[in-house]
Amino acid sequence: EAQVTQNPRYLITVTGKKLTVTCSQNMNHEYMSWYRQDPGLGLRQIYYSMNVEVTDKGDVPEGYKVSRKEKRNFPLILESPSPNQTSLYFCASSPTRRPNEQFFGPGTRLTVL
Amino acid sequence: SQQGEEDPQALSIQEGENATMNCSYKTSINNLQWYRQNSGRGLVHLILIRSNEREKHSGRLRVTLDTSKKSSSLLITASRAADTASYFCATDPNTGNQFYFGTGTSLTVIP
Repeated sequence: EAQVTQNPRYLITVTGKKLTVTCSQNMNHEYMSWYRQDPGLGLRQIYYSMNVEVTDKGDVPEGYKVSRKEKRNFPLILESPSPNQTSLYFCASSPTRRPNEQFFGPGTRLTVL
Repeated sequence: SQQGEEDPQALSIQEGENATMNCSYKTSINNLQWYRQNSGRGLVHLILIRSNEREKHSGRLRVTLDTSKKSSSLLITASRAADTASYFCATDPNTGNQFYFGTGTSLTVIP
């Protein structure tokens, strides 16, 4: 089944404890992206990747890192999480940059205490 | 921010009625897309309209695009309870490689 998977789905952590949220797609998509969703703010793009080893900042990159060593994986790293990073996170992929119907993962709900 | 905005923020209608939601954006675009999100779940792509198109249909969905006004509308005809969800527009600007979502319209269809 073609899909985007994220792990974990739910995570409660404490300030400053490094964490990684994994994202994997099995559709051989080139473009991958991370978003955060907050009430009243919609989805905001954190980072995106055009292809392997090509990543760039979105609208809200502060406090996050990403890497794209393989085409299928695009992990999101929070080196030192803070409470303002409590949010619902989505990974998405699309076959190419344009046109770019995006396929979304199920989401990761992160709480930073 | 180049984020779009949907209007209204919330909409409640009876089953069988039509639902219209609007999206305004700020920059020139290559295309505009609409997505649906059921409560807390991942978004699902509904329809894409390119900047040189004015109207597009897909089943009970009708999307219009007015690039001169930088606005789009999504019409859902003969709504069903299963259409209850949040709807987001997303813009693909002509410049850069980012992607911008609107703030969403929460639609409730009452059986």
